[in-house]
Amino acid sequence: GQNIDQPTEMTATEGAIVQINCTYQTSGFNGLFWYQQHAGEAPTFLSYNVLDGLEEKGRFSSFLSRSKGYSYLLLKELQMKDSASYLCAVVDSNYQLIWGAGTKLIIKP
Amino acid sequence: DADVTQTPRNRITKTGKRIMLECSQTKGHDRMYWYRQDPGLGLRLIYYSFDVKDINKGEISDGYSVSRQAQAKFSLSLESAIPNQTALYFCATPFQGRSYTFGSGTRLTVV
Repeated sequence: GQNIDQPTEMTATEGAIVQINCTYQTSGFNGLFWYQQHAGEAPTFLSYNVLDGLEEKGRFSSFLSRSKGYSYLLLKELQMKDSASYLCAVVDSNYQLIWGAGTKLIIKP
Repeated sequence: DADVTQTPRNRITKTGKRIMLECSQTKGHDRMYWYRQDPGLGLRLIYYSFDVKDINKGEISDGYSVSRQAQAKFSLSLESAIPNQTALYFCATPFQGRSYTFGSGTRLTVV
C-alpha cells in the first residue's frame, strides 16, 4: 500500500526554527508537495520538490531525498501566523496525489 | 475573483437527503478533483475528471456521484446523505502542473 508519515503535532517558539519531517512509501514518485492549511481553510501551496536537494523560498525551505523516501519542511524565524497544519503530499506513478494526515504546528510566544 | 469557487460554504442536512456541492473554476483547466478531509486523516480523493467526458472514481467514491456539466463546472452529489459523510469537502484543480489550487471548502454536517 501507499503510505505517508508525518508527526501529528509539533510545538515551537516564536522566532525559532522548526523542521517537519515526512517519510513516504508510494508506488512511484513524481514529485512531493508541501501545503499549509489554517484551521477550516483551504490548503495553500508552499513548495514542490522533484529532484534531491534543498529548495529555499524565503523563511521556508524544503528538502528531498528520493533514495530515502524522505522530505522535510524547514521554517525559520517562526511567527505566530505560522501556526497551522502542514501537509505533505506525493505524486505517485499514476500522477495522483497521496496525502499525509498533516502536522499541526503550534507556535508559542 | 477566486480561481476555484465552491458553494455552499457550510451546509447542514438531514440523513437521507440528497445534496449537491458545486465547484467552478475560471482558468480553463481540464482536470478537476473532489477531496474529503476528516480530522486526523489526510485529504482523500472522491472523484476526479480529466475532461467533460472523462470521470474517474477515487479511493472513496461509494455514496457519492459527480457531474462535469462543462469544463468549468464539477459538481459532487450525495444521493442519500449519512452522518459519516460529515466532513470538509474541497474541490481542486492543478496549476501549471506543479501545484493544486483549492476552493475554499464546504463544511458539510449530516444530522
